[in-house]
Amino acid sequence: SQKIEQNSEALNIQEGKTATLTCNYTNYSPAYLQWYRQDPGRGPVFLLLIRENEKEKRKERLKVTFDTTLKQSLFHITASQPADSATYLCALDQGNDYKLSFGAGTTVTVRA
Amino acid sequence: GAGVSQSPSNKVTEKGKDVELRCDPISGHTALYWYRQSLGQGLEFLIYFQGNSAPDKSGLPSDRFSAERTGGSVSTLTIQRTQQEDSAVYLCASSLVGTPGNTIYFGEGSWLTVV
Repeated sequence: SQKIEQNSEALNIQEGKTATLTCNYTNYSPAYLQWYRQDPGRGPVFLLLIRENEKEKRKERLKVTFDTTLKQSLFHITASQPADSATYLCALDQGNDYKLSFGAGTTVTVRA
Repeated sequence: GAGVSQSPSNKVTEKGKDVELRCDPISGHTALYWYRQSLGQGLEFLIYFQGNSAPDKSGLPSDRFSAERTGGSVSTLTIQRTQQEDSAVYLCASSLVGTPGNTIYFGEGSWLTVV
């Protein structure tokens, strides 16, 4: 089965800086890779999806890259704000239509 | 409703008791998922329902776990003879259809504590 590794340590950054999170996977490359945000005590919320044939995807201050050779996705939060503080989860398919495998997440704290 | 609704939001139960967790998906969503999240862990897939098809139960950790979905809408996850290791957040999610690239919408979860 797919193994997913995200930054093992929490990320603490200064407001205005760019946060970069990594998601590495083993085995086969997924057709889709997704990023979710999870706040304490809440369910995950979908942020971005990138397809295997896409190198980069942007949404407002968020940018996701997908390198199938490195088996890695990078998630960037530019011009970070304290409101961006949350845990970010990487998720990818298991080779079928619907099951998503999730990483353990990276907790980001943005200091004002 | 506007989002995926789960109940109860919190449940404390004694070891050995049975619990039922309920999920009300977004109206019109044919796909429904149950995941479990333990402290500091990633989400663990439990079960998937798609329309009238047979559910994919491959993620259920033991035969103490079962789930059903009635009328293609509301789903109930049942844990029998609960153990302390069952303590976790149980997250329900739904999507319009169960195809790659579909956005999955999660509920807020049911926090289960087995004492």
